[in-house]
Amino acid sequence: QSVLTQPPSASGTPGQRVTISCSGSSSDIGVNTVNWYQQLPGTAPKVLIYYDNERPSGVPDRFSGSKSGTSASLTISGLQSEDEGDYYCAAWDDRLNGRDVFGTGTKVTVL
Amino acid sequence: QVQLVQSGAEVKRPGASVKVSCKASGFIFTDYFMHWVRQAPGQGLEWMGWMNPHSGDTNYAQKFQGRVTMTRDTSINTAYMEMNSLMSDDTAVYFCARRISTGYYSLFDYWGPGTLVTVSS
Repeated sequence: QSVLTQPPSASGTPGQRVTISCSGSSSDIGVNTVNWYQQLPGTAPKVLIYYDNERPSGVPDRFSGSKSGTSASLTISGLQSEDEGDYYCAAWDDRLNGRDVFGTGTKVTVL
Repeated sequence: QVQLVQSGAEVKRPGASVKVSCKASGFIFTDYFMHWVRQAPGQGLEWMGWMNPHSGDTNYAQKFQGRVTMTRDTSINTAYMEMNSLMSDDTAVYFCARRISTGYYSLFDYWGPGTLVTVSS
């Protein structure tokens, strides 16, 4: 069901920079904005980045987003232990009468 | 403060139906579309569809059309997701999520805690 492709895993030591990619197509990321959601173990997802690169209030500035063409990325600068969890990109897909699509998800591990 | 409170866990037999509720508070219920997203054990997020609480209009993911019905009761600010003909691979946590939209972007800004639906014989 996922049409946005992410690497299954990413890892780093505390303080390192980690980047997660999200690959889509001309009908989703190519024409619509990208959001990123963080899901910590046993909890509901929480929005981390919206409108490609905007942070909601309360989200630390070590999280940043970018987009180019049909791909997007999330960067965690200065990884912290509490960042360990799953990360999903998301966008609206204009196909099939419109639908939300999520990425395949990336599990971030803090070594 | 905005809150979405979902109904408790359910265990159903294959072929049965389930109805999950999502009670909203802290905002005007009819001002925001409500979406449903599910997550099978150990898997990713899967969008199921949306319901407009103001009009009752719905839009379901193609995969769920004919099997899912999203409704609401505006008198108690509650959204519902009902799924019939349950199969074992419908075992998942079902989330309701509020959608905020502007002319430039939209996002799920608040999520319910999730309701575990287990389908097992």
